[in-house]
Amino acid sequence: GENVEQHPSTLSVQEGDSAVIKCTYSDSASNYFPWYKQELGKGPQLIIDIRSNVGEKKDQRIAVTLNKTAKHFSLHITETQPEDSAVYFCAAPLGGKLIFGQGTELSVKP
Amino acid sequence: DGGITQSPKYLFRKEGQNVTLSCEQNLNHDAMYWYRQDPGQGLRLIYYSQIVNDFQKGDIAEGYSVSREKKESFPLTVTSAQKNPTAFYLCASSPALSSGNTIYFGEGSWLTVV
Repeated sequence: GENVEQHPSTLSVQEGDSAVIKCTYSDSASNYFPWYKQELGKGPQLIIDIRSNVGEKKDQRIAVTLNKTAKHFSLHITETQPEDSAVYFCAAPLGGKLIFGQGTELSVKP
Repeated sequence: DGGITQSPKYLFRKEGQNVTLSCEQNLNHDAMYWYRQDPGQGLRLIYYSQIVNDFQKGDIAEGYSVSREKKESFPLTVTSAQKNPTAFYLCASSPALSSGNTIYFGEGSWLTVV
């Protein structure tokens, strides 16, 4: 069926290391892939997104890569800091609606 | 400031009662959404609305109802038919239905059944 799979479900890194979260989607027609960061007790906030006409997009320490052939996209966070600790969600449009992955709980240890 | 306002932030409900969660947006967005989030889980779509006076069921609509009488407002009623209503509820909006459009979220409402 239509879904978005996200891995890993939890990720623990040391401060300064990189973190990578991966998502796969099923609808080859999907053309927009946002990533959200959710801090405890708050609503998700958009941190970066990518459209299908590009393969990579960067914003300071955050980057997203897209492989349309393989139908997967990844979030890369470099030089992680304790304030990066949160739950991260990927999403993809499927059937006219935005479908979210199950989330990755990132923990950055000082 | 432009944004999405949800109220109340915390709500307690007795079993058998209906409760209504408020969601207001001043972003002039046509589309609005309600998601449910259980602890450690992802976001599940309850209802969505493309335009005023129109709304559609999402993946888990049973036990919930909505209305869209005004563009800026999309209240969610959790009815007594919802068997496990304790959860974090998120309202969201986008310029148009979400495919290709960024969705913006409110700060959420915690509902607890006591």
